[in-house]
Order: sequence, then C-alpha cells, then structure tokens
Amino acid sequence: DTGVSQDPRHKITKRGQNVTFRCDPISEHNRLYWYRQTLGQGPEFLTYFQNEAQLEKSRLLSDRFSAERPKGSFSTLEIQRTEQGDSAMYLCASSEMTGLFRYEQYFGPGTRLTVT
Amino acid sequence: DQQVKQNSPSLSVQEGRISILNCDYTNSMFDYFLWYKKYPAEGPTFLISISSIKDKNEDGRFTVFLNKSAKHLSLHIVPSQPGDSAVYFCAAGPNYGGSQGNLIFGKGTKLSVKP
Repeated sequence: DTGVSQDPRHKITKRGQNVTFRCDPISEHNRLYWYRQTLGQGPEFLTYFQNEAQLEKSRLLSDRFSAERPKGSFSTLEIQRTEQGDSAMYLCASSEMTGLFRYEQYFGPGTRLTVT
Repeated sequence: DQQVKQNSPSLSVQEGRISILNCDYTNSMFDYFLWYKKYPAEGPTFLISISSIKDKNEDGRFTVFLNKSAKHLSLHIVPSQPGDSAVYFCAAGPNYGGSQGNLIFGKGTKLSVKP
C-alpha cells in the first residue's frame, strides 16, 4: 500500500498526559501536512513540512504542540499536557513539491484522540 | 471569518439523478480548488480539482465548475450512486494573503443518495 499511513488510529488518554502520533507520507511526496478536524467542521491546518523543514505553523498550534520530520520522511506530532479540548481527529496529508499537483494533498486515515 | 463556505449541510438525491454540491469563497487570491469525499472514520479522499485559470474540469461522473466572478464553484455528480453517499468538502489554496502551504476547507455537505 503506497498511501499515507498514520499510527495509532485511536488514542484515549487522560488529561495532562503526553501523546505522540506518527505519519508516513506517500514515499515520493516532499510535502507533509498536519490538520485537525472536530465534529461538524472541515479539516483545519496545523503545520506543514517541505522535506525536513517546518515551513509554517498555524495559530492553532499552541506551544503544547510540536511536530518533527527529522529525515524528511515520516513525521511525528506530539501534544504535551493534553486538555479535553484537544480531542479531535488528527489528519496527516502529503503532496508533491512542485507544479500544480503540489496542491493535491492526499490524506491518511487519521488518528482519533479522546482526552478524558 | 470563513473563507470557504458550504451553505448546505445536507443534500438528498435519488439514485441515477444529478447531485449538485455548492461552495462559495471570499478570497480572490485562491489559486486552486479541490473537492474531497469523506466516509465516517476515514480520512478525506481527493476527488477532483480545478485551477483558477479554468472554468470546468471533468473526470468520469464528476465535473467541477468554477465561476471566478461569483467566487463560486460546484461539483456535479452524474449519475448519482448509493456509494456516493458521504460528506463532501470543498477546499481552496493557497492563500497568498496568508499561508502558501495549507488548504482551507469548508464545513462539508452530507450527500445521501437513495436507491
């Protein structure tokens, strides 16, 4: 399977705990994106990488959130001191770097986070 | 303020008929528009896209129309099939007034195709 994969698919954690999610993009894609989706909303942008460089972070990405893509391949998203408001679906997407196809982002299945 | 709006939360269509999903945007700097389909408990699946230099793009049963002067796009599905039942998201990017990396999504329209 050459699509975007995410791990874990579901995570239940207690408030105050740290969680880390992993995303493996489509292998030939240089750009990797993180989004968050809550009920009744469309995906909201969090951050994106071009190769290993983190080029942009949304205001939604508080200082409790950190993302890395150390070798320009897979990426991790960590949330420290989780709060109930962090409960959401966390989506990863990837795209090519150049040409019009860089706009076509392909999404993984998401990680459903529930903070109790 | 929402830059991409899908004003119809839901749409019900009979199998074999046309489904028309609508999307409005406010930012004239958007360069590219996309439609995604999402089933429950799955990530969004890319469906079809259109560049701002075109007014129509077709792929099988799916056609996207772009009216730049009205800042409006629509997705036509003909003929509709029960398997098309899903939530459809309109997305736009990049936003040169802000980010160049992200897509901005509408809230989605839930399409139900009845046999």
